[in-house]
Amino acid sequence: RKEVEQDPGPFNVPEGATVAFNCTYSNSASQSFFWYRQDCRKEPKLLMSVYSSGNEDGRFTAQLNRASQYISLLIRDSKLSDSATYLCVVNQGGNYQLIWGAGTKLIIKP
Amino acid sequence: NAGVTQTPKFQVLKTGQSMTLQCAQDMNHEYMSWYRQDPGMGLRLIHYSVGAGITDQGEVPNGYNVSRSTTEDFPLRLLSAAPSQTSVYFCASSHRTGGTEAFFGQGTRLTVV
Repeated sequence: RKEVEQDPGPFNVPEGATVAFNCTYSNSASQSFFWYRQDCRKEPKLLMSVYSSGNEDGRFTAQLNRASQYISLLIRDSKLSDSATYLCVVNQGGNYQLIWGAGTKLIIKP
Repeated sequence: NAGVTQTPKFQVLKTGQSMTLQCAQDMNHEYMSWYRQDPGMGLRLIHYSVGAGITDQGEVPNGYNVSRSTTEDFPLRLLSAAPSQTSVYFCASSHRTGGTEAFFGQGTRLTVV
């Protein structure tokens, strides 16, 4: 089993729709969680950190479920510019290493 | 503020050749790392450094060497290139531990023929 798993997609979604991704992680000791965005042939960039209480940044909402060991990302009112690959990232604590999911590809269609 | 500068952007090597990928950051970050990204897989850690003079192996270190003589620079050396090392390589830095934001270079697309 991979340490961090994501549905690779692609998710084809009409503009204006709401889309949600899940990501599961295997290590219950994981302490920090992130969503990164990666545009085609570009470097990953931090989208948002994921806190235990859940957090929202504009149209984006991230949630953590420690009991079931998954994090989620919800995008409301999707825009064409949201088309990208979304990477789930987990830090297991006590070291400097981030564990990366393979990413979920999102395509927003007009 | 340049952030993380990684060179070259593209490189083609013949099997057995060696080369160095350069990475420099101007944010005074302690932690630097090298990843490779292959289709259908997450970023995999090659080597990392928690400060000048300190390096350690990541998940896939074979065939690569690193050094960290200064806080700013963290070059990655391919000792004898193999087709299996065809990949996209990213250098990243962060302020402290894995609990903070990682900043990436623009990536190097390496093809080994």
